[in-house]
Amino acid sequence: GEDVEQSLFLSVREGDSSVINCTYTDSSSTYLYWYKQEPGAGLQLLTYIFSNMDMKQDQRLTVLLNKKDKHLSLRIADTQTGDSAIYFCAEARMDSSYKLIFGSGTRLLVRP
Amino acid sequence: DARVTQTPRDKVTEMGQEVTMRCQPILGHNTVFWYRQTMMQGLELLAYFRNRAPLDDSGMPKDRFSAEMPDATLATLKIQPSEPRDSAVYFCASAWTGENTEAFFGQGTRLTVV
Repeated sequence: GEDVEQSLFLSVREGDSSVINCTYTDSSSTYLYWYKQEPGAGLQLLTYIFSNMDMKQDQRLTVLLNKKDKHLSLRIADTQTGDSAIYFCAEARMDSSYKLIFGSGTRLLVRP
Repeated sequence: DARVTQTPRDKVTEMGQEVTMRCQPILGHNTVFWYRQTMMQGLELLAYFRNRAPLDDSGMPKDRFSAEMPDATLATLKIQPSEPRDSAVYFCASAWTGENTEAFFGQGTRLTVV
């Protein structure tokens, strides 16, 4: 199908790790992205992974890619209250002229 | 300070009125996307352009929505006539598209149709 799917909501305690999951649809997608949206703002790119990689680490962020299952995850270590936001995964569909399709977003709430 | 600029930030209009939203993409970017964000539907792709040519507008209701790029510095999204169900936040994003389509988003236009 067309949809990139994410769970809608995640609540964690400050200091814990957060894991946000996503399933995408297009096996030809070469880049997969994680964006963050804070209240009242547009989306900002957090990180991305190339499809020939299994993992990418960037400070507190770890992206895991399972290409066989078309599953992408974002792990945030030592989650802080400032990480509370909506997180979107996205795929650039190579066979559709790099149409950029987003999931519905996962709202992360970090409890003190 | 390269950024995508959208105007207006907020728009309240009456049902039946025409609404025009504008976007100035980042200079040098060759791709412009229009998205609509609602609580129910998440972030929907309405249309996108490459080198000012429309590539896909299948996400747009054709009878009332239209998207254009009159020049490389301006993209527009029009709704005529507007309806209450069009109330949403509309985002424009631009990118230089190769294999990596890192998109930069504007702040959005919050549209309320009453």
